Amino acid sequence: NAGVTQTPKFQVLKTGQSMTLQCAQDMNHNSMYWYRQDPGMGLRLIYYSASEGTTDKGEVPNGYNVSRLNKREFSLRLESAAPSQTSVYFCASRGGVSRGQETQYFGPGTRLLVL
Amino acid sequence: AQSVTQLGSHVSVSEGALVLLRCNYSSSVPPYLFWYVQYPNQGLQLLLKYTTGATLVKGINGFEAEFKKSETSFHLTKPSAHMSDAAEYFCAVSAPRGGSNYKLTFGKGTLLTVNP
Repeated sequence: NAGVTQTPKFQVLKTGQSMTLQCAQDMNHNSMYWYRQDPGMGLRLIYYSASEGTTDKGEVPNGYNVSRLNKREFSLRLESAAPSQTSVYFCASRGGVSRGQETQYFGPGTRLLVL
Repeated sequence: AQSVTQLGSHVSVSEGALVLLRCNYSSSVPPYLFWYVQYPNQGLQLLLKYTTGATLVKGINGFEAEFKKSETSFHLTKPSAHMSDAAEYFCAVSAPRGGSNYKLTFGKGTLLTVNP
């Protein structure tokens, strides 16, 4: 099992450009999450998908959109990138609502630099 | 609403010394609590978690944490630090099953350095 995979690993954008960050999991998990990590800020939730077919805003959703393409894949889109979106982006997944499925599993991250 | 406070953004210990990383939480319902570790340029890895039952939980790499409801704390400890423990550590809180759509709220992290 690859677990949670993210592409690309690193990206440089110019202000105003758009891009989509891809995330996939092969653990048959129901819930998926997108976080951003900034120095001294910990991880902040951007969007999440509690189950296939649903998405909801997290703590910092402005400037982002998401798509839960199917049970495996959850993408994050920046329509018009801004320097404030320079960050490390992590995708995570969680099995479900049963006992023992509380843990979120994280991907390796995508480092994004917006000039 | 939930929140997590990690006391000390940077902790430095000598190899072989006790590691103590502090975490206090705020939650309106009995929480689930987690410690994650992040090595440089990597994703987050679960160290240990508390959901229900025994309040002293043991994790990987010799770490353990104790849930103290009266103190709203979940401090992480390891009796003897190793150079390989150098990393950033994150405490996180989640509402239990059925609450808050299973979202995690993270603390700001504590960077642990281990001196030879």
